[in-house]
Amino acid sequence: EAGVTQSPTHLIKTRGQQATLRCSPISGHTSVYWYQQALGLGLQFLLWYDEGEERNRGNFPPRFSGRQFPNYSSELNVNALELEDSALYLCASSPLYEQYFGPGTRLTVT
Amino acid sequence: TQLLEQSPQFLSIQEGENLTVYCNSSSVFSSLQWYRQEPGEGPVLLVTVVTGGEVKKLKRLTFQFGDARKDSSLHITAAQPGDTGLYLCAGVRMDSNYQLIWGAGTKLIIKP
Repeated sequence: EAGVTQSPTHLIKTRGQQATLRCSPISGHTSVYWYQQALGLGLQFLLWYDEGEERNRGNFPPRFSGRQFPNYSSELNVNALELEDSALYLCASSPLYEQYFGPGTRLTVT
Repeated sequence: TQLLEQSPQFLSIQEGENLTVYCNSSSVFSSLQWYRQEPGEGPVLLVTVVTGGEVKKLKRLTFQFGDARKDSSLHITAAQPGDTGLYLCAGVRMDSNYQLIWGAGTKLIIKP
């Protein structure tokens, strides 16, 4: 069974640009979660999608947004990038409670 | 304020030693999970505990869920360098909508 996949692996952007990160969940999982993880720190919850709808969002500004497609894959968009957006962005899919993570996208904003 | 408090935040010990990591809360959880994350990778689920007082063993790792379902511990016996990583606990609160609440993590380094 294929695991959660994320693309791209690395992304380098300049301040003010927009970034798009993609996630494909494990087959059969309808929930997708997005997290931001700054270097060496814990997970900060960003967004939760289930059955195509946004179920909850964390304490992040509106320039962080996303969507979930009919095939349950998901996209995270970050507009007007700031230097402090540099982090590892993790996507997880879940059948109910347990979460299965992808390898992450390392976003660097210069 | 973290709903799930992990301690210690950082632990560096020699190979062969034993250690315990704690995950505490004032809230009751219907289930609690432990994950391990290695640098540059996503967290990997180690175990889920669902019953108060439950103990689960995974080789040298022993996980316990508190009787009141408010806390959990992870004990590693004879730690090895391969145990190095960030250990995260996460739980589903009794009054929540299935969303996981995450602890801040314990960074563990096992020196050879």
